[in-house]
Amino acid sequence: SQTIHQWPATLVQPVGSPLSLECTVEGTSNPNLYWYRQAAGRGLQLLFYSVGIGQISSEVPQNLSASRPQDRQFILSSKKLLLSDSGFYLCAWSSSRGGYTFGSGTRLTVV
Amino acid sequence: QKEVEQNSGPLSVPEGAIASLNCTYSDRGSQSFFWYRQYSGKSPELIMSIYSNGDKEDGRFTAQLNKASQYVSLLIRDSQPSDSATYLCALEGGGSNYQLIWGAGTKLIIKP
Repeated sequence: SQTIHQWPATLVQPVGSPLSLECTVEGTSNPNLYWYRQAAGRGLQLLFYSVGIGQISSEVPQNLSASRPQDRQFILSSKKLLLSDSGFYLCAWSSSRGGYTFGSGTRLTVV
Repeated sequence: QKEVEQNSGPLSVPEGAIASLNCTYSDRGSQSFFWYRQYSGKSPELIMSIYSNGDKEDGRFTAQLNKASQYVSLLIRDSQPSDSATYLCALEGGGSNYQLIWGAGTKLIIKP
């Protein structure tokens, strides 16, 4: 069966510090992968999606970047965090059957 | 601009009653529709998908789709306090990337 792993679960980082969040998928090959952010009490905001290794599409201009170095690995990064980067970050994958499966999420607080 | 509209709530329903959640959308070309449940502090989980007009039942959940009127709804029968969560409506926006367009969610509160 397919599983998606996301870590860490919680992160507190100072303003200006770097960020690296990792997501891996097991049990499937060539998945479409997504990074979402959810601000407190708000809806899902698509940040990046990837249809294959090295293929990244950005939906929202910001100081975040994403990379896909391996088929089932998706990384979200920042060189310098802003206060506004705080939120709940979710990785997801989709198959041709439709719908997404989400990871457990990372709650990021920038202080 | 493809949009998905949901009443943000909160929708308060007594335990044992039927909870009715509604969602309207603007893209007539959408073919796949999904309902997700999100507990506070947790990630969304898929509870129902529906692809054709009519009703689809799964246990206490029934999804209803009306493409002519561009709405999709979720009924929860015999509501339980554990059903208290935010319910997100989503639909595939077309293209080959299986991207979903999301509503902002409806917060449902089941009162014991």
